[in-house]
Amino acid sequence: DSGVTQTPKHLITATGQRVTLRCSPRSGDLSVYWYQQSLDQGLQFLIQYYNGEERAKGNILERFSAQQFPDLHSELNLSSLELGDSALYFCASSGAGGVETQYFGPGTRLLVL
Amino acid sequence: GQNIDQPTEMTATEGAIVQINCTYQTSGFNGLFWYQQHAGEAPTFLSYNVLDGLEEKGRFSSFLSRSKGYSYLLLKELQMKDSASYLCAVRPNTDKLIFGTGTRLQVFP
Repeated sequence: DSGVTQTPKHLITATGQRVTLRCSPRSGDLSVYWYQQSLDQGLQFLIQYYNGEERAKGNILERFSAQQFPDLHSELNLSSLELGDSALYFCASSGAGGVETQYFGPGTRLLVL
Repeated sequence: GQNIDQPTEMTATEGAIVQINCTYQTSGFNGLFWYQQHAGEAPTFLSYNVLDGLEEKGRFSSFLSRSKGYSYLLLKELQMKDSASYLCAVRPNTDKLIFGTGTRLQVFP
């Protein structure tokens, strides 16, 4: 158990819908990262937050957004969902400044029908 | 651009030694990580190299050569539970990780 929690574990929805994925980092970690892993593809970095502020952005679609709240939990919002958005979404957290090792949560498996 | 290459699949026998190679070309370098990922599960941290040389951690060792843009993960005394994907990831700066597509290792009895 990495100490990073994610909810829900599974999500099934329809095209055009909007969903919110939630992540709670390890105790004391200030950085949260979101990754997408599609079938047979590597982990793709989406976005990073550090202590409530956006720190880095990867190949995140405009339909996707995220935020980190004062209690440091983070939410990833996916809207206007398409079939191709079906994937595993992982959250990771690390210590101050993002210099330390990233520890991953169990992931949310999203299926868009 | 950023590019990380590792073999797609490898097979090995229980009790043997296997070496998984990773080559990288990134715009910066601030560390290389190896993660293990069982199908459908979260990646779990195995090792971290930022200086050249070998880091040993039990049955697992990881090597780094920054001048060659090269790393390997060495797994000794293979066990069936080591069947998994092994992900090489580079931190080009202080933030995100760039992951390779992973090497799927199958261990046979």
